Amino acid sequence: AQSVTQPDIHITVSEGASLELRCNYSYGATPYLFWYVQSPGQGLQLLLKYFSGDTLVQGIKGFEAEFKRSQSSFNLRKPSVHWSDAAEYFCAVGAQVRDDKIIFGKGTRLHILP
Amino acid sequence: GAGVSQSPSNKVTEKGKDVELRCDPISGHTALYWYRQSLGQGLEFLIYFQGNSAPDKSGLPSDRFSAERTGGSVSTLTIQRTQQEDSAVYLCASSSGTSGGADTQYFGPGTRLTVL
Repeated sequence: AQSVTQPDIHITVSEGASLELRCNYSYGATPYLFWYVQSPGQGLQLLLKYFSGDTLVQGIKGFEAEFKRSQSSFNLRKPSVHWSDAAEYFCAVGAQVRDDKIIFGKGTRLHILP
Repeated sequence: GAGVSQSPSNKVTEKGKDVELRCDPISGHTALYWYRQSLGQGLEFLIYFQGNSAPDKSGLPSDRFSAERTGGSVSTLTIQRTQQEDSAVYLCASSSGTSGGADTQYFGPGTRLTVL
């Protein structure tokens, strides 16, 4: 069955520290992988997207993610977090099939300590 | 250009009343999605419209929920006989629809529904 797992419901890091948010997926086809961010009271915004090529993908706001096929993972990273990064982060997986829809993980809420 | 808009931004209703939530997708986007986001529950898929195809209603939690999309653009999500467990944020998203599950989705700000 197709699924996305974000094992960490909450993550707390200090401002300026590095960040890694985990995402594992199970998908039969070649996956398209996404990370979205939801700031408080807002809708979701795309951070980055992977579908082929270089397995290290750069996104907005200084985020990057690495696709590891052998581990079925697509972890999100940032070298140094800012207080404004406090938000909820969603990993998602889909395929290039017209009537298909993407599947979202349950999200990881990031808290930043000053 | 304009993004996805949703109205109202907040809706408070009494148990048993019907509510309608509106979504205006990005112009030209053929795919439209509704999701429900309850506290701590992540995104729950409700319904998916793709062009003129029959909608994918597989996520609707009960027959009290329905949605329509008129003219391939604006969509309305209707909840009949609301219950307290319907309280949540309802998010709408649209995409170009050309690549199915590979498309980037663009989300509206959501409608926060509170059922008293």
